Amino acid sequence: GESVGLHLPTLSVQEGDNSIINCAYSNSASDYFIWYKQESGKGPQFIIDIRSNMDKRQGQRVTVLLNKTVKHLSLQIAATQPGDSAVYFCAEQLTGFQKLVFGTGTRLLVSP
Amino acid sequence: EPEVTQTPSHQVTQMGQEVILRCVPISNHLYFYWYRQILGQKVEFLVSFYNNEISEKSEIFDDQFSVERPDGSNFTLKIRSTKLEDSAMYFCASSEFTGTSYEQYFGPGTRLTVT
Repeated sequence: GESVGLHLPTLSVQEGDNSIINCAYSNSASDYFIWYKQESGKGPQFIIDIRSNMDKRQGQRVTVLLNKTVKHLSLQIAATQPGDSAVYFCAEQLTGFQKLVFGTGTRLLVSP
Repeated sequence: EPEVTQTPSHQVTQMGQEVILRCVPISNHLYFYWYRQILGQKVEFLVSFYNNEISEKSEIFDDQFSVERPDGSNFTLKIRSTKLEDSAMYFCASSEFTGTSYEQYFGPGTRLTVT
């Protein structure tokens, strides 16, 4: 399940730091957004989601922020751990459609 | 925790051959999906399937592709006359319901290599 790409943006952080991963989505009509984590050899794994009627949603150690004005989504990971190292994708979905539209992904590297 | 499984994990085939990729969705899920990811590119939607019918498909999903639920547990993607550009990771996903706010659970993927 690798999404290795020579041009994949990479964020390198130290263990314990907070990480912020950003995503620009494409369709202003999208009303549901999801962050997925993809570890090497695995498929995308759901992290957190947010509907367009919200601008912030918190989970365990993760927060998603949505700025519809500039079509921007961010994922904040608190106290990043080596196990958080993976590729992170945002995805968007429109009401009435089943498909998820994925962004390009960001590789997060966490150093001990 | 229930999970989506896919077989094989890696499939190598020659150009022009047909391949069948297999998936076992989560047992109480009703909606099934195929996505693909060409190396270094985004995950792309191919097709969704419900009640033994295709419910949505992308422009990638042309006559070369077909999907089937041959029994109560498997969900398959058939690619006829494979081309080099079909080489990719193929992910199956399933969800209990469809539409926004219903999580799609992804399998580990099948890496298809067309030579």
